[in-house]
Amino acid sequence: DAGVIQSPRHEVTEMGQEVTLRCKPISGHNSLFWYRQTMMRGLELLIYFNNNVPIDDSGMPEDRFSAKMPNASFSTLKIQPSEPRDSAVYFCASSEGTTNTEAFFGQGTRLTVV
Amino acid sequence: GENVEQHPSTLSVQEGDSAVIKCTYSDSASNYFPWYKQELGKGPQLIIDIRSNVGEKKDQRIAVTLNMTAKHFSLHITETQPEDSAVYFCAAWTSYDKVIFGPGTSLSVIP
Repeated sequence: DAGVIQSPRHEVTEMGQEVTLRCKPISGHNSLFWYRQTMMRGLELLIYFNNNVPIDDSGMPEDRFSAKMPNASFSTLKIQPSEPRDSAVYFCASSEGTTNTEAFFGQGTRLTVV
Repeated sequence: GENVEQHPSTLSVQEGDSAVIKCTYSDSASNYFPWYKQELGKGPQLIIDIRSNVGEKKDQRIAVTLNMTAKHFSLHITETQPEDSAVYFCAAWTSYDKVIFGPGTSLSVIP
């Protein structure tokens, strides 16, 4: 398996624009996590899915953020409208189970909002 | 809410010396504690993990210890090498089925 695949690797957008980040989890994994990483706040869990169902979205910072998982092999994180403070590296991770199993991370998407 | 603290935030050691990173967690129901290494420009990668039924686990130059009474766990790297330089994250699975990460430790190994 190629691991968790995220796209794009880098995204530069203007404030106010919509941004969509994409993730393909490892085949067979049924949990998917979206994290945001910044120098100030470290790795923050935004939302996680189990069997395509959002379980906990308490980490989503604002209504401008939304995430979907239409099927077991694809998830998106959308920011609309984007703001400069959203600039960060966004990671997607997947794991086999819901509890006590290794989470595998993608390479991340570096988002810059100017 | 759930919280994982990690110390120190930065650590600099001479090549060949040992490095120790310590973490504490708040959710008493946590029973799985992975450690991740993140190199520049890459996602975190699991290097070792420990579960509640084990007090210590070793894999070559790295070892982890767990004290569930005190809610402490630690990472020990012996005979450090320059390629060990990276950011290390401790983490804990919570009773709510999600992984909470510590703030990270930036380790520098000086040749």
